[in-house]
Amino acid sequence: QKEVEQNSGPLSVPEGAIASLNCTYSDRVSQSFFWYRQYSGKSPELIMSIYSNGDKEDGRFTAQLNKASQYVSLLIRDSQPSDSATYLCAVLIQGAQKLVFGQGTRLTINP
Amino acid sequence: ETGVTQTPRHLVMGMTNKKSLKCEQHLGHNAMYWYKQSAKKPLELMFVYNFKEQTENNSVPSRFSPECPNSSHLFLHLHTLQPEDSALYLCASSQDVGGEQFFGPGTRLTVL
Repeated sequence: QKEVEQNSGPLSVPEGAIASLNCTYSDRVSQSFFWYRQYSGKSPELIMSIYSNGDKEDGRFTAQLNKASQYVSLLIRDSQPSDSATYLCAVLIQGAQKLVFGQGTRLTINP
Repeated sequence: ETGVTQTPRHLVMGMTNKKSLKCEQHLGHNAMYWYKQSAKKPLELMFVYNFKEQTENNSVPSRFSPECPNSSHLFLHLHTLQPEDSALYLCASSQDVGGEQFFGPGTRLTVL
């Protein structure tokens, strides 16, 4: 089982709709979770971090964490074409103190 | 100059060449990282430095040699690379190991 799993997509969402990106992880004791956005040809950019169960909102972005189900998600409300990118989920492996990345989900917002 | 910078942005080298990648962070962070990003594969952690001491070597071949002279600078020395080493090499930093990581723009490396 991969340490961090994401659906590679592509995920197509119409402009203005909600985009939902999902990630599962295998390390039960992980405490820190991150979402990065990576535009084609660019480096990853941190957009959200979440450490506690529940929802964390920042503008149009909401991160959701469920440690019991080992599941973290990112919701993007009112999707814009500029949100089209690959979204990387990253989980801090507690014992090793290293960040493990999923393979990323490619998101396309259609005007 | 802000954030994390990397030079060069693009590099083409032959298998017998020796080259170095440079990373500098202007964030006052204590931890720095090298990652490799190949097409269709997740980001792979290569090395971790905390307070300029190496704390992680993720089974990286010896043809990649890191150097961290201080908490702000990180180098990756390259020698006798293989074509499969062609990838985007990313540097990142965080306040402490385990914290939020911020990436530089990367060096696109092509090995001929």
